[in-house]
Amino acid sequence: AQTVTQSQPEMSVQEAETVTLSCTYDTSENNYYLFWYKQPPSRQMILVIRQEAYKQQNATENRFSVNFQKAAKSFSLKISDSQLGDTAMYFCAFGSNYKLTFGKGTLLTVNP
Amino acid sequence: EAGVAQSPRYKIIEKRQSVAFWCNPISGHATLYWYQQILGQGPKLLIQFQNNGVVDDSQLPKDRFSAERLKGVDSTLKIQPAKLEDSAVYLCASSLDQAELSNQPQHFGDGTRLSIL
Repeated sequence: AQTVTQSQPEMSVQEAETVTLSCTYDTSENNYYLFWYKQPPSRQMILVIRQEAYKQQNATENRFSVNFQKAAKSFSLKISDSQLGDTAMYFCAFGSNYKLTFGKGTLLTVNP
Repeated sequence: EAGVAQSPRYKIIEKRQSVAFWCNPISGHATLYWYQQILGQGPKLLIQFQNNGVVDDSQLPKDRFSAERLKGVDSTLKIQPAKLEDSAVYLCASSLDQAELSNQPQHFGDGTRLSIL
């Protein structure tokens, strides 16, 4: 069974600064996908960024980028130029066999 | 396109009562998921449908939880009887197909917050 660990229950950052959220996972599989989802107080889970394990190049989506270290089983999310609207719970998720396994989440607060 | 619709948004019941949640996925999405998200945790998959067939219900507490997707479109999740530990947000998600997680990500609804008194 896969496990996903997010070691930072809460983080805060000043508006316009950069923050990195950590995620590690454990698996014996070779083909899988990794995701970061954002869950604002409205509760809807919104896909932020995804990474295929077979791709060495780190994924980027505008202000969001990942640092994928396959050997270390690490998948961190970097948010640049943080905005107040980035305040939310962030979940790291492991995907394989058509299923997602989520971490416990990191509550990110962006301060003005 | 319209997103995943869920109702009700909130539900409060007493323990041992019954409750049902409804989900209407994005039009054309063959795969539907129900997740349970307990406060302070990430979502946990309860059941996955492909059209009207169950793909995975290994984490569904079948003694009290049931789910159906009779016509392969909308779905209901029922709890009978409810226990205190069932207090959680129940999220529904859908995807075009189960085949490609990267190209066909899961789209989530707003969830139903269930409180058991």
